[in-house]
Order: sequence, then C-alpha cells, then structure tokens
Amino acid sequence: QSALTQPASVSGSPGQSITISCTGTSSDVGSYDLVSWYQQHPGKVPKLMIYEDSKRPSGVSNRFSGSKSGNTASLTISGLQPEDEADYYCCSYAPSRSYVVFGGGTKLTDL
Amino acid sequence: QVQLQQSGPGLVKPSQTLSLTCAISGDSVSSNSATWNWIRQSPSRGLEWLGRTYYRSKWNNDYAVFVKSRITINPDTSKNQFSLQLNSVTPEDTAVYYCAREPVGGYWYFDLWGRGTLVTVSS
Repeated sequence: QSALTQPASVSGSPGQSITISCTGTSSDVGSYDLVSWYQQHPGKVPKLMIYEDSKRPSGVSNRFSGSKSGNTASLTISGLQPEDEADYYCCSYAPSRSYVVFGGGTKLTDL
Repeated sequence: QVQLQQSGPGLVKPSQTLSLTCAISGDSVSSNSATWNWIRQSPSRGLEWLGRTYYRSKWNNDYAVFVKSRITINPDTSKNQFSLQLNSVTPEDTAVYYCAREPVGGYWYFDLWGRGTLVTVSS
C-alpha cells in the first residue's frame, strides 16, 4: 500500500479535461507545498510535470496544472491528447516517514 | 545538457551486495544546490526513494528508514559520479533502480533521471 493514495485509473477522450487526485495526510501533503507530479510512459523514465504543488517546469505544456486543497493534491490535464496516455505519480515531502513518499500511480487511458 | 549515466550489474545473488554507479555530465556532484538521489520502482512496491548524497560545506547523506541499515550512497568527486550499495539483498529488492537529481535541495522534486537499471535478485 503506497503512502499517497491515487485512483488506479482515469479515462478520458481527446479534448476533454481530467483530474487525478493524490491524498496524503496533514503530516505530508497538507503541511508542505512540496508535491510533485511525474508522467511515465511504458518502459520510459519518469518525467517531472509539476513541482511545489503547482509550478510547471520549462518545456511542460500549460495543459498540465497542479493544485491542492487540504491533504489532497490534484493534477489536471486539459485538452487531452493521445500522447498524454501514461501513468502519473504524485510525490510529497514526508518528514515523518522516509523523507519523501510516492503515490501508487494512476493510469490515464482511453485516449 | 545535463545527463545521468547509470552502470552496474543487472543480476545479483541473494544475500550479496547490489552496486550501481551514476555518472554526471553537465553538473557537479559537489554542487552546493543539488542533491543526488537513488529511487527504485517495482510492480509490487511502486516508486520508492532510497536515499541521497549532497555537499553543503561537507558531505551529507539521508536514507529511507526501510533501507537505512543496508544502504550506502557515496560521492566520487574525481569521476563526478555517485554510487549506491545495498547489502544483503533479497528477491524483494528486485526493481528498476534510477539515479535522479533534486535540483534544489529541500524542495523534494526530481527533474533529471537516469535511464534506469533493472536489477534482478536471483540465484
């Protein structure tokens, strides 16, 4: 069981928007603005998409956005494109555990 | 362009030591801002952060609690690389191991990853 809870899968159609949730606790997600999100295509390396809850690295499409409310962080992808089909993982600073913890991953399908 | 190049064996026998190296190009293992991390991924355990090394006037290490008794991460400034040693491995340690950079220590995100090394623990 992963430290952060994500839905196993989310489906969407091209052009739609989807949101992936990531639920932690008041000791990690809820206490620090240090949630990051990663995209991973099959057999590929994880790619940083969002850091510090809502900041987007240079080169990442503005269709990707991050937010947080309480102990739950969210990744929203707008204007879905076929290449967005991938696994998405959240990650949070968690000093009460092993410094940093990951979610179990969410598979975005049906694109 | 910053790159991380991983090397090391893909097969380790149970009870032995897993050893991997991550060579850095375009940045420095002695950076005063970045930290250098090892993360692994397996179908059963997902993504797991293992530990890091970094330089802030002196060398520092942080390790995940669940491997703290078995892990060592060392920098090698002469080769601009860092290494992972995991002792007393079991089949549960079978995973893809990644080295990764945290560009600004303390912000806990990883912007650059090595290509990954599948390590199988089996006799």
